[in-house]
Amino acid sequence: GQQLNQSPQSMFIQEGEDVSMNCTSSSIFNTWLWYKQDPGEGPVLLIALYKAGELTSNGRLTAQFGITRKDSFLNISASIPSDVGIYFCAGQLRYNTDKLIFGTGTRLQVFP
Amino acid sequence: DTGVSQNPRHKITKRGQNVTFRCDPISEHNRLYWYRQTLGQGPEFLTYFQNEAQLEKSRLLSDRFSAERPKGSFSTLEIQRTEQGDSAMYLCASSFPLAGRVTGELFFGEGSRLTVL
Repeated sequence: GQQLNQSPQSMFIQEGEDVSMNCTSSSIFNTWLWYKQDPGEGPVLLIALYKAGELTSNGRLTAQFGITRKDSFLNISASIPSDVGIYFCAGQLRYNTDKLIFGTGTRLQVFP
Repeated sequence: DTGVSQNPRHKITKRGQNVTFRCDPISEHNRLYWYRQTLGQGPEFLTYFQNEAQLEKSRLLSDRFSAERPKGSFSTLEIQRTEQGDSAMYLCASSFPLAGRVTGELFFGEGSRLTVL
């Protein structure tokens, strides 16, 4: 199936560092979303973006909807141990459906 | 607990057997989605329902797969004659369009992990 390209695949950082990850597509998306998945759990929505160029924050998380509508970025500031997990971007191709195309994921490890 | 509920959480079966998973969505959500996630990959769309109507099915959903949502509440996903390639996490999600606007904001269950030996 179709998946979005996410990078980096994995990151190992120290507590307190900032993190950046991105997601690219060959298709234009109407909505970009970022989810986090902990081991053995389902993904949980972090941030949703609805307009090209939009910059949205949720606590220490900031995400942007790329101007071309083909990419999105997620930044996490001052990482803490509970940020550990897999981060997935997801795009919504059409407005009338929640059918999402997910990225390949970025695995984040935070060391104290 | 008012979240999306899935069971069983884990299922180990022999190749060729049939398995069925159940999903109970958040009660006021009228849309229900099934996704499949294999190790190291993101979730992949399988099918979705609006109320009891199945509106879209992915090409990933072979003839051995069938999903139902008979009363527009819970849903079942059945896999017949399981194959080793069916081993995956099967995720259910639900949503409710706000003011008629579909936002892409899905609420996922914890998933049902299938292992086919």
